Amino acid sequence: QQPVQSPQAVILREGEDAVINCSSSKALYSVHWYRQKHGEAPVFLMILLKGGEQMRHEKISASFNEKKQQSSLYLTASQLSYSGTYFCGTERSGAGSYQLTFGKGTKLSVIP
Amino acid sequence: GAGVSQSPSNKVTEKGKDVELRCDPISGHTALYWYRQRLGQGLEFLIYFQGNSAPDKSGLPSDRFSAERTGESVSTLTIQRTQQEDSAVYLCASSVRTRAGTQYFGPGTRLTVL
Repeated sequence: QQPVQSPQAVILREGEDAVINCSSSKALYSVHWYRQKHGEAPVFLMILLKGGEQMRHEKISASFNEKKQQSSLYLTASQLSYSGTYFCGTERSGAGSYQLTFGKGTKLSVIP
Repeated sequence: GAGVSQSPSNKVTEKGKDVELRCDPISGHTALYWYRQRLGQGLEFLIYFQGNSAPDKSGLPSDRFSAERTGESVSTLTIQRTQQEDSAVYLCASSVRTRAGTQYFGPGTRLTVL
């Protein structure tokens, strides 16, 4: 089942902060975050595991609330290079076979 | 190689023709995945391979789609009797392992069915 991302799009001025949420109706084992720039392949940012710690990639961090089946991506002091579409991918807990299901993405635009 | 490579980068074909897409994973990566991304949409899982195990085909959209991988090397995704709805970017990714493994994506193959 596809996770739900919010917001669908956000515009930031350089230096501002943003939060992107990813929610699932199913119990999750892990949540992956990727950023995709226009015309390019997705690039891995971080993985959050069930029972794991909050992760950080430069000034981007993320949390995973297992009880709520929700992950949040925090972009702090945004830079122009943060622009792109952010996708979360979820791996279900207890699934018989591995499968990563992606949300529809959140388009982030950072302007000077 | 240094990263995941895919060929061709672009493919234009006529409705009804068969196409074959190729993916070269990062050396040593046992897991390989195929995704489809329609214009302006998110990633849609198609199939994944783990070592020599039988592939998980649950995501293939129809029996016109098939995929093969020999050992831990190259994989091919074949679409028979292509339809216009098959037009999309087909992305391949590989990872060292499956659960919680970082997936490294290739640049994709843009398929256009006329």
